[in-house]
Amino acid sequence: EVQLVESGGGLVQPGGSLRLSCAASGFTFSSHWMHWVRQVPGKGLVWVSRIKSDGSLTSYADSVKGRFTISRDNAKNTLYLQMNGLRAEDTAVYHCARDWWGGTDVWGQGTTVTVSS
Amino acid sequence: DIVMTQTPLSSPVTLGQPASISCRSSQSLVHSDGNTYLSWLQQRPGQPPRLLIYTISNRLSGVPDRFSGSGAGTDFTLKISRVEAEDVGVYYCMQGTQYPWTFGQGTKVEIK
Repeated sequence: EVQLVESGGGLVQPGGSLRLSCAASGFTFSSHWMHWVRQVPGKGLVWVSRIKSDGSLTSYADSVKGRFTISRDNAKNTLYLQMNGLRAEDTAVYHCARDWWGGTDVWGQGTTVTVSS
Repeated sequence: DIVMTQTPLSSPVTLGQPASISCRSSQSLVHSDGNTYLSWLQQRPGQPPRLLIYTISNRLSGVPDRFSGSGAGTDFTLKISRVEAEDVGVYYCMQGTQYPWTFGQGTKVEIK
């Protein structure tokens, strides 16, 4: 079964850091570009970042550029999002998703990040 | 950034009746490679989003054929030919032509 499972979310104070992980299974992880998308509960979807299949190319939303870093370990079939300098407005459910023809065909259930003092 | 605007934002539908959602982009979604990266996603309550349609009109494997996508350039439509109870949820259009990828606000489909 094709699956993505996120972990690493939690409660963190403003200015703090978290590293999210996304474990992939059931497909050839190293062949796919991957994305992070976040969603404030009850609100819409916001694209955060993407990484090329071999990790050589990354992109970020302006709102996280310079604070978040996407990376991957293809040997471990795992995608990461290092989040530094967290702000209250980063509070959301973070989903990892597999790239498919300019869309995203596989999504994880998400991990919740809460930034609050 | 490309702005995606969906209408309506809410769509009460009778079971068995059709539903239609429009999505307009602030600029053409035709990529330099000739493809138009416009997708439709469904999000059922308490679930992550699910891809229904990619590149305007291609249904993902396993998606019922009552779902169809159409359009070109800046104007796109998702149609559900006969709404079923399991179709309740929020539908999003999304453009993957230009970074940052952007989503529409979402359209809530509910049963009358």
